[in-house]
Amino acid sequence: ETGVTQTPRHLVMGMTNKKSLKCEQHLGHNAMYWYKQSAKKPLELMFVYSLEERVENNSVPSRFSPECPNSSHLFLHLHTLQPEDSALYLCASSQQEFRGYTFGSGTRLTVV
Amino acid sequence: EDQVTQSPEALRLQEGESSSLNCSYTVSGLRGLFWYRQDPGKGPEFLFTLYSAGEEKEKERLKATLTKKESFLHITAPKPEDSATYLCAVRHTNSNSGYALNFGKGTSLLVTP
Repeated sequence: ETGVTQTPRHLVMGMTNKKSLKCEQHLGHNAMYWYKQSAKKPLELMFVYSLEERVENNSVPSRFSPECPNSSHLFLHLHTLQPEDSALYLCASSQQEFRGYTFGSGTRLTVV
Repeated sequence: EDQVTQSPEALRLQEGESSSLNCSYTVSGLRGLFWYRQDPGKGPEFLFTLYSAGEEKEKERLKATLTKKESFLHITAPKPEDSATYLCAVRHTNSNSGYALNFGKGTSLLVTP
């Protein structure tokens, strides 16, 4: 399997639930990202991991918790989310010599 | 404030009717301008990277150009399969880590037969 794979594709969760989003890349890239995409808004960068170390965290609420156990895997742990957190969550990866991102297909999250 | 603005927000074309999408930016120290295509329910797909004013890139019916203030994505004789949202993003020296891209809101293109 090649590219960037995200699971699940769709997720509906209650505000008291705990869930995790998973991202896996098979491109040999060493930086990984979480972006949030909401309707009528630009993509918002949430977290950046380079060589498994978090290098950027854009004032994201603590109810979102990233984890990067190795350069191929990235998780986003979710707990006590709000309805306004409903969005498409995109994972991306890039090479050390940055030439742009390769995105996954995203997880469509609905918080009820 | 650094900013990326795309226009128009939406564009409807007849098949074969050429047009251009605009991406203007006000970032300091541009380190790359990126164009992506996004189909409904999917992640953005990379199209082009431009690094310096005067640079041009082409792929099939698409041609991207760059000046010091803006980029254009020219679509020549579009087909219905070109219908998608086109996203512009810039990488700049003000980013904390150097890995972040600032995206515009996108242009939603619909090409009708």
